Formats: sequence, C-alpha cells, structure tokens
Amino acid sequence: TQLLEQSPQFLSIQEGENLTVYCNSSSVFSSLQWYRQEPGEGPVLLVTVVTGGEVKKLKRLTFQFGDARKDSSLHITAAQPGDTGLYLCAGSMIKAAGNKLTFGGGTRVLVKP
Amino acid sequence: EPEVTQTPSHQVTQMGQEVILRCVPISNHLYFYWYRQILGQKVEFLVSFYNNEISEKSEIFDDQFSVERPDGSNFTLKIRSTKLEDSAMYFCASSENGPSYNEQFFGPGTRLTVL
Repeated sequence: TQLLEQSPQFLSIQEGENLTVYCNSSSVFSSLQWYRQEPGEGPVLLVTVVTGGEVKKLKRLTFQFGDARKDSSLHITAAQPGDTGLYLCAGSMIKAAGNKLTFGGGTRVLVKP
Repeated sequence: EPEVTQTPSHQVTQMGQEVILRCVPISNHLYFYWYRQILGQKVEFLVSFYNNEISEKSEIFDDQFSVERPDGSNFTLKIRSTKLEDSAMYFCASSENGPSYNEQFFGPGTRLTVL
C-alpha cells in the first residue's frame, strides 16, 4: 500500500509568518502534485513536480520534490488570510498516463489577520 | 479556462436505490477518473478509464459500481444499489495524453447522501 503522510495536520499562524507543510512516503513516486481544497469543493491543482530535487515557485509558494522522490514540501512565505485552506499532496507511482493518484491526509492551514 | 463539471452537486437517495453521477471532463482530455472522499477522510481512488474501458480500479469499486462514457462528452458513475457507507463526496477528474499527463484536474464534486 502506497502511503503519503502529511504533517502537520493543522497549522495556525499569523498573517506575515512563513509556514512549511511536509509530505512523506516510504515509496518512490514518479510525480507529485499539490492541491488546495476549499470546504465542499474539489481539489484545485497548484503544481506538479516530477524530477528529484526539483523546486518550483508559484508567487509566495515554493514547492520542492526530494532527491529520492519520496517526499515533498510546500513553503509559503509571508502568509496571507487568503492562503487559508486544506493543502493536499498526491502522488503517482507509475510514469504513465492514466495512473491513479494516492492522496495524503491534508494539512489544514489557518492564517489569522 | 476549461474545467471539469459535475452534476448534480448534491444527491440524496434511499438505501438500495440506484444513482448516476455525471461528469463532463475537459474536452481534449483522454483519461477520466472517479475518486471519493468520505467526510473527514482522505481522497480515495475508485477507477480510471481510457479508450472506452476501465484501466484500473480499486477494491472499493466492486460490482455495485460501473462507469460509462455514453457519448463524446459525458462520463458517468453508476451505483446500482446504494448503501449507507456510499455517502461521500464523489469527484470526477480528467487528464490529457501529452507532456502534462500526470496532471489530473478535478470537478467540484457531487455530495451523495444515502439515507
């Protein structure tokens, strides 16, 4: 069974602070995606990382894929209340189209003004 | 921007009844998926579909479930005889057959409530 563990499960910070969310597995993934999900809605794709050691930036969000492709992190700089939400990582084991995603349990982020 | 759409947004049914959840994937995508999320739990894979047949299914996707692409745009999930434990959010997703094939785009979901 492929497992993705996210930590922490919940994070509450003040506006302007930085935060990091972690996604870890004992399995190697061919690619890993980060999603954000609002209550009652579907996951919205933020980024996909495919190469070990890869770093991608999306405005104040920085995503990193571990060298061994077993872990990933999401770092938010100077968090804003609009960053509040549930962040999900999801991995694909096989480098082929149509492969299922295995999701982590999510990290709920609350940014207080 | 192209998006995956799903109908209905909320379906309430009695245990034992059949339900059909509908999805319209992004138009140039070739791979389609169903996932579900029980309240407070992880998003779980149900089934993937390509070229008019199932590519992969999970152990959740038993004989009570079926999928179909009845025309060029719709992708449906049928649950033949619903159980209480089928209550969940059901998400449809699609992906293309190009360089970004790993990227799956999700619809807003259908909340299924089985009474």
